[in-house]
Amino acid sequence: NFMLTQPHSVSESPGKTVTISCTRSSGSIASNYVQWYQQRPGSAPTTVIYEDNQRPSGVPDRFSGSIDSSSNSASLTISGLKTEDEADYYCQSYDSSKNWVFGGGTKLTVL
Amino acid sequence: QVQLQESGPGLVKPSETLSLTCTVSGGSVSSGSYYWSWIRQPPGKGLEWIGYIYYSGSTNYNPSLKSRVTISVDTSKNQFSLKLSSVTAADTAVYYCARVSRRFYGMDVWGQGTTVTVSS
Repeated sequence: NFMLTQPHSVSESPGKTVTISCTRSSGSIASNYVQWYQQRPGSAPTTVIYEDNQRPSGVPDRFSGSIDSSSNSASLTISGLKTEDEADYYCQSYDSSKNWVFGGGTKLTVL
Repeated sequence: QVQLQESGPGLVKPSETLSLTCTVSGGSVSSGSYYWSWIRQPPGKGLEWIGYIYYSGSTNYNPSLKSRVTISVDTSKNQFSLKLSSVTAADTAVYYCARVSRRFYGMDVWGQGTTVTVSS
């Protein structure tokens, strides 16, 4: 199996752009889709990116996803940061047996 | 739109079996496009995948929990359920049910979550 490693926390100012990384420990990041989930304090997670870079309806285009095979990582980029973006963000993928793997989560502070 | 709602006891004694049900509204558990899953989150920690089920009854469980987990589906009630046996304090968590796309093996709809505490 593999692990997905995220930074524990990131912070940025309103209006700026922040990128959260998710690095796969073994196997190619491109071999299985990566999803990103947002979890605001006290709430259930919601999906902000699926299939590496697709946004569900209702998610603002300030949110974007990408993968980078050279660093074997996926990234979530949020531009034009708003205070409402302050949340925990989790990446998720799966292995060849369709077992899921979650990253440890990144706490985004917008200050 | 599809909505999921978890239900079940909020307090379970150590060594007993945790039982939760997820009721699906606005959609059908018999849809061939989705799996139906359980995920949990211990207090102050990250998300942990428990397992998922297809409407046919086929399942896939987290290997670390497999010996204690049973997920079942009741298409007549449009529900799916989780049983976790021999619980300990380490099983205290918020338990979420969610719909999983078979296309990208990720969740697209989540329940609001239910807190289960394991304590005597």
